[in-house]
Amino acid sequence: GAVVSQHPSWVICKSGTSVKIECRSLDFQATTMFWYRQFPKQSLMLMATSNEGSKATYEQGVEKDKFLINHASLTLSTLTVTSAHPEDSSFYICSGTRGTGPMRETQYFGPGTRLLVL
Amino acid sequence: SQQGEEDPQALSIQEGENATMNCSYKTSINNLQWYRQNSGRGLVHLILIRSNEREKHSGRLRVTLDTSKKSSSLLITASRAADTASYFCATSRNQGGKLIFGQGTELSVKP
Repeated sequence: GAVVSQHPSWVICKSGTSVKIECRSLDFQATTMFWYRQFPKQSLMLMATSNEGSKATYEQGVEKDKFLINHASLTLSTLTVTSAHPEDSSFYICSGTRGTGPMRETQYFGPGTRLLVL
Repeated sequence: SQQGEEDPQALSIQEGENATMNCSYKTSINNLQWYRQNSGRGLVHLILIRSNEREKHSGRLRVTLDTSKKSSSLLITASRAADTASYFCATSRNQGGKLIFGQGTELSVKP
């Protein structure tokens, strides 16, 4: 159990366009979802934390108007990269936690979305 | 900011050998976790150790935690070619809180 999917798995777009990435928890309700970005050969950098029905909390240095996060239900969160530029090209990964207490300690990760902005 | 530092950055061993990866962190933690990432894929949770625990085992994995030194180690015994992946430690300051990832160790196990 605890499967997370992401769609699309990869996307190529032109500079200036917006791209939406979906993150779904398939067999559990994700109380909290996290969005990360990862550059080649580097670690994951947390972008934001979102709880269903409330505004996302962004990490320092992450532009909330550029990276729009919507967590409309307990199984779906979306990340929209607005007016994407080549420097936004990266691997975007989401994760979710479930339950309460100690169960929330483990994050279940999606397979990632590779974004290439030309 | 990233608070986990891992070493080595890369490790290459022969199948059957043991692999040890180390992780250091800077602030107090509630728990420390190890994740594995195959190239270009998402992360898979391996094991979690809480701040009041010193050692934990799961199959061929052994994790230690030394809170006085703010460090942890992951030992993979009897490695297999399929263990080839990047391994990340991640710390959390509270239950269900955000994870801060280390830089990762790239493990290559040669058949």
